[in-house]
Amino acid sequence: SQKIEQNSEALNIQEGKTATLTCNYTNYSPAYLQWYRQDPGRGPVFLLLIRENEKEKRKERLKVTFDTTLKQSLFHITASQPADSATYLCALDGGSSNTGKLIFGQGTTLQVKP
Amino acid sequence: DAGVIQSPRHEVTEMGQEVTLRCKPISGHNSLFWYRQTMMRGLELLIYFNNNVPIDDSGMPEDRFSAKMPNASFSTLKIQPSEPRDSAVYFCASRKQGDGQPQHFGDGTRLSIL
Repeated sequence: SQKIEQNSEALNIQEGKTATLTCNYTNYSPAYLQWYRQDPGRGPVFLLLIRENEKEKRKERLKVTFDTTLKQSLFHITASQPADSATYLCALDGGSSNTGKLIFGQGTTLQVKP
Repeated sequence: DAGVIQSPRHEVTEMGQEVTLRCKPISGHNSLFWYRQTMMRGLELLIYFNNNVPIDDSGMPEDRFSAKMPNASFSTLKIQPSEPRDSAVYFCASRKQGDGQPQHFGDGTRLSIL
């Protein structure tokens, strides 16, 4: 069955550094991958989508890469700020890109220290 | 525009009681998803609807769980009878039709079954 792995250990970095989060998947070839941010007590919020034919996507200080050979996506936050502290979830399309069904990873918690 | 609205935000009840969670999706969205989130299992899809029709309920844990979507602006998730292991945060999400469209989440219902 499809499996998504995100680093379960929290990532602690210093303000101003680049945070890099990893999402690995197996037994699947998704048409796209999405990244979400979740703050405590809130629902996930969509950040970025990258398709299987795209190597990289950027939005302001965020950058996502997608390597379908390695079956891996990397999520980068440059010039990180304490306000970036949150849990970040990756999600793969659930088999048919038209249904919108997503399979989520467990998430990685990022802590940016001032 | 209002986002996805869930009620109640918190629910504490005794085991054996019926629990009803409510969701109002974003107007114009035609897909609706119910998720359950726990520390151990992360964010799990329970059921989703397209155009008010249940498409995939394979994530519903057992017959004690049921979901309905009587119209485009309202959905319920019911647990009867409830058990302590049902304690979790339940999220509702909606999305517009279209390849790669993101899901928009409510802020969840935190359910505690004593």
